[in-house]
Amino acid sequence: GAVVSQHPSWVICKSGTSVKIECRSLDFQATTMFWYRQFPKQSLMLMATSNEGSKATYEQGVEKDKFLINHASLTLSTLTVTSAHPEDSSFYICSASPRGLDPDTGELFFGEGSRLTVL
Amino acid sequence: AQSVAQPEDQVNVAEGNPLTVKCTYSVSGNPYLFWYVQYPNRGLQFLLKYITGDNLVKGSYGFEAEFNKSQTSFHLKKPSALVSDSALYFCAVRDGGAAGNKLTFGGGTRVLVKP
Repeated sequence: GAVVSQHPSWVICKSGTSVKIECRSLDFQATTMFWYRQFPKQSLMLMATSNEGSKATYEQGVEKDKFLINHASLTLSTLTVTSAHPEDSSFYICSASPRGLDPDTGELFFGEGSRLTVL
Repeated sequence: AQSVAQPEDQVNVAEGNPLTVKCTYSVSGNPYLFWYVQYPNRGLQFLLKYITGDNLVKGSYGFEAEFNKSQTSFHLKKPSALVSDSALYFCAVRDGGAAGNKLTFGGGTRVLVKP
């Protein structure tokens, strides 16, 4: 099946530093990748949609200068949390829509998630 | 606007008993409905989906769901629950009325299967 890998799984950083999270589709090409944020015991909140080779589309209320998203290839998207603060601590999950699969009717494939703790 | 509701925060069931996780939705066009499961500190795994056709959809790990248009529901079911089914379950909907609509997730239902 389609596998999406996220790295790192866990990251702890100091306040003010930047953290990069990678999302890779291992055995398929992903035209579109999505980044979500999940708070404890809550649902997934879509942060942004990234398409290969173009700028990401951010959801309302998500700071694009704080959460930098790059989708440089059909198998890799990165989320960089810039100048991280404790309130950015969360579980970040990416998902990918495989090339060739109808983006409306097809299921998404999710990464394992990355837990960010900002001290 | 599209929305999905999971009315139960948690469902407790004894191992071997039937499991039902409820989901209702609201869309303006045709609903595309999905169920995902999340284990602790992990991403989501796809279980099943309804796009069109037979109202009863069978998915992974023995799960099934029934699409009910009149009740705008898509409840997830399993005839005999296992302890390993304990996890967080998410229902999601996409409005098929237009291309490119985003997937909206419900709040999630935690399932606890007791031995």
